[in-house]
Amino acid sequence: DIQMTQSPSSLSASVGDRVIITCRASQGIDNKLGWFQQKPGKAPKSLIYGASNLQSGVPSKFSGSGSGTDFTLTVSSLQPEDFATYYCQQYKSYPITFGQGTQLEI
Amino acid sequence: EVQLVESGGSLVQPGGSLRLSCAVSGFTFSDHYMDWVRQAPGKGLEWVARSRNKANSYTTEYAASVKGRFTISRDDSQNSLYLQMNSLKTEDTAIYYCARVATSYNFDYWGQGTLVTVSS
Repeated sequence: DIQMTQSPSSLSASVGDRVIITCRASQGIDNKLGWFQQKPGKAPKSLIYGASNLQSGVPSKFSGSGSGTDFTLTVSSLQPEDFATYYCQQYKSYPITFGQGTQLEI
Repeated sequence: EVQLVESGGSLVQPGGSLRLSCAVSGFTFSDHYMDWVRQAPGKGLEWVARSRNKANSYTTEYAASVKGRFTISRDDSQNSLYLQMNSLKTEDTAIYYCARVATSYNFDYWGQGTLVTVSS
């Protein structure tokens, strides 16, 4: 199985900040990497696919990069609604696996 | 508007069975792979199962933790996805989400989830 490791596990930031979350795969996954946002009590929301492509309707303050084993999610100009838990996911091979999550706190 | 609505979650005893449903609308269901993903209380996301589309013979994939106990299926005429869960264990307690798989194999839409509690 491909292990996905996110860092940090939690992150404190302020409104207006820019934050970067990293995700490392235990083996190469090309660009088969997605990012999701989840708020308490809500379903996950898809943000990015193919490592760097924004899902329709997702604001450009979210951006992704990387290929192979190392990936990043950048969230610019943090607003109160951006404070949530973020997950990466590989869909290169079965079983599909997720990172453990990064909790972004005010 | 794409919508996925799960139902069927409830309290069940260990060893019991349950069938979850996911009713979809707003897109051509038969064109898409569909997945189930679960989230135990206070934990992260865990992929459970995949149903490929008719063009790919409705073949399936499962996580090791549920293989042999869970069965994913679909009814394209009813725009519905199902998850038959047998021999349930306490560790199957989770919110179960259905998710649509886009043509590039990423997840693009999720349902709101349905809670399954396995407890005596």
